Amino acid sequence: GAVVSQHPSRVICKSGTSVKIECRSLDFQATTMFWYRQFPKQSLMLMATSNEGSKATYEQGVEKDKFLINHASLTLSTLTVTSAHPEDSSFYICSASLQNYGYTFGSGTRLTVV
Amino acid sequence: DQQVKQNSPSLSVQEGRISILNCDYTNSMFDYFLWYKKYPAEGPTFLISISSIKDKNEDGRFTVFLNKSAKHLSLHIVPSQPGDSAVYFCAASASGNTPLVFGKGTRLSVIA
Repeated sequence: GAVVSQHPSRVICKSGTSVKIECRSLDFQATTMFWYRQFPKQSLMLMATSNEGSKATYEQGVEKDKFLINHASLTLSTLTVTSAHPEDSSFYICSASLQNYGYTFGSGTRLTVV
Repeated sequence: DQQVKQNSPSLSVQEGRISILNCDYTNSMFDYFLWYKKYPAEGPTFLISISSIKDKNEDGRFTVFLNKSAKHLSLHIVPSQPGDSAVYFCAASASGNTPLVFGKGTRLSVIA
């Protein structure tokens, strides 16, 4: 089946530094990648939609200059959290849409900013 | 404004009994619904889905029912097993290739 590999699974970084999260589609081409964030005991909230070769579309309230999304190829999308702060600590998950209404998810990245 | 609502944050069921998880939605443009199972610090695992042209879809122990007029769907798990204990998310989509909208989840505990 369609698999999205997400790395790293967990990362701890110092406040003010940047962190890059990668999502790779292993056996299919991901034209569109969705990025979600989940705070404890909350829902998965959509942050942005990225389409290969074009600029990402960000949801209201998500700073595009802080959460940089790059989808330069059909198999790789990255999310970079720039100048991270403790309030950015969360669980980040990518998801690719498949044909026939399917969706596949990465395994998620637990980011802790200290 | 929550478009997908799971009003029960938790549910406890005895092993062997039926688990019923409920989900309501407000957006009449949603035409595809999915249920996911999730463990902490892991990505969601797809369970079962249903298109708006159907009112029921069954896969093994899992059955999803959709009531379009009430904008309500439910997931039935029978018989429930301890391994089913997890957080279950309801999600909806307005059409292909659009992002899923998730509910807040229901934590199911199946007691042996």
